[in-house]
Amino acid sequence: LAKTTQPISMDSYEGQEVNITCSHNNIATNDYITWYQQFPSQGPRFIIQGYKTKVTNEVASLFIPADRKSSTLSLPRVSLSDTAVYYCLVGFTGFQKLVFGTGTRLLVSP
Amino acid sequence: EPEVTQTPSHQVTQMGQEVILRCVPISNHLYFYWYRQILGQKVEFLVSFYNNEISEKSEIFDDQFSVERPDGSNFTLKIRSTKLEDSAMYFCASRGGTLYQPQHFGDGTRLSIL
Repeated sequence: LAKTTQPISMDSYEGQEVNITCSHNNIATNDYITWYQQFPSQGPRFIIQGYKTKVTNEVASLFIPADRKSSTLSLPRVSLSDTAVYYCLVGFTGFQKLVFGTGTRLLVSP
Repeated sequence: EPEVTQTPSHQVTQMGQEVILRCVPISNHLYFYWYRQILGQKVEFLVSFYNNEISEKSEIFDDQFSVERPDGSNFTLKIRSTKLEDSAMYFCASRGGTLYQPQHFGDGTRLSIL
């Protein structure tokens, strides 16, 4: 499983766009990039997953450059309820276990 | 949207007692997992389960732990003789059978060992 590096914490204000970047220099050819969100005392919640270029869903966008050595989770117009820990995971998301790092703690202020 | 449900939300047990944590995975999912998160620490993998058998387990998942899918809908984690250090949030997850489908997590059971 590829090692990931992401900022420990980020601060933002309501209504702003937040970009969280994850580095994964040793990503393998068949690895996917997956992001989860976790609120206190809740389970991780799947946000988005991608392999290359750009993926967008109703809550976020995921940007992956051509070399795939990093990825950026973009949260448009955050609200207070987006305050959470965000995890970047890289691996062959077949049937393997997930290996969580410490994630990025996002604090959104009014 | 279908979700993974876990019961109870909070379990308080005396050290040495047996505890069973219950999970109802998403109905058409085929792969099941247990993770735990000690307060303030990372989410850690415990065990994965497919086709009625364990497919992988971590070092944490020792002989005191067992999993079962007793009736085709529930998925349980049993701890035979609980220790203080078993106090944690326990999360169940499930995923479908198609490659690259993500795992979906329940909201966990908070296990407190006294």
